[in-house]
Amino acid sequence: DGGITQSPKYLFRKEGQNVTLSCEQNLNHDAMYWYRQDPGQGLRLIYYSQIVNDFQKGDIAEGYSVSREKKESFPLTVTSAQKNPTAFYLCASSIGQSNQPQHFGDGTRLSIL
Amino acid sequence: GQQLNQSPQSMFIQEGEDVSMNCTSSSIFNTWLWYKQDPGEGPVLLIALYKAGELTSNGRLTAQFGITRKDSFLNISASIPSDVGIYFCAGPRNNAGNMLTFGGGTRLMVKP
Repeated sequence: DGGITQSPKYLFRKEGQNVTLSCEQNLNHDAMYWYRQDPGQGLRLIYYSQIVNDFQKGDIAEGYSVSREKKESFPLTVTSAQKNPTAFYLCASSIGQSNQPQHFGDGTRLSIL
Repeated sequence: GQQLNQSPQSMFIQEGEDVSMNCTSSSIFNTWLWYKQDPGEGPVLLIALYKAGELTSNGRLTAQFGITRKDSFLNISASIPSDVGIYFCAGPRNNAGNMLTFGGGTRLMVKP
């Protein structure tokens, strides 16, 4: 089946530690996105990538980093600079054309130990 | 910047009731998307609307693209317990490209 796979489902981070969230898609989509969702809140854009080897900051990029070395993969690193990392992280992809829907993975819940 | 306002923020209804929710913006949108998010899962696309006045159904769900292009409505008929979740509207940022703006969501709870 085609889709977007996020792993792990749950992740715990110690103080001062960097952690990386995985996002893989086999939909042949050009564009990929990372969102953060806090309890009872909507989605806030962290980073996005329109094409391989290119990515742009979203609305809340501070304390996060990404790479886009392959079309199907867009990992997100939550660095120690992100002081409030506890949240639900969602990855999405789209075909990259205007007005097309984004399709989401099932999310990774990150908590601080 | 563009903002999407969803109302109500939450609803608690009896199974079998019909549900209506809406999404409004101060600026014009040329596309409206409706997603549902189950607890602990990612949002799933329900309906996409591309033309003012368009009315589209997906099973018991019906969504409309407002004629002013500044609003959209989602109706659920004969609600069932599995309708529980958060419903988000979304539209393209600045009406261009593939970036989306999301509303804050309507949380639906259904009492069996």
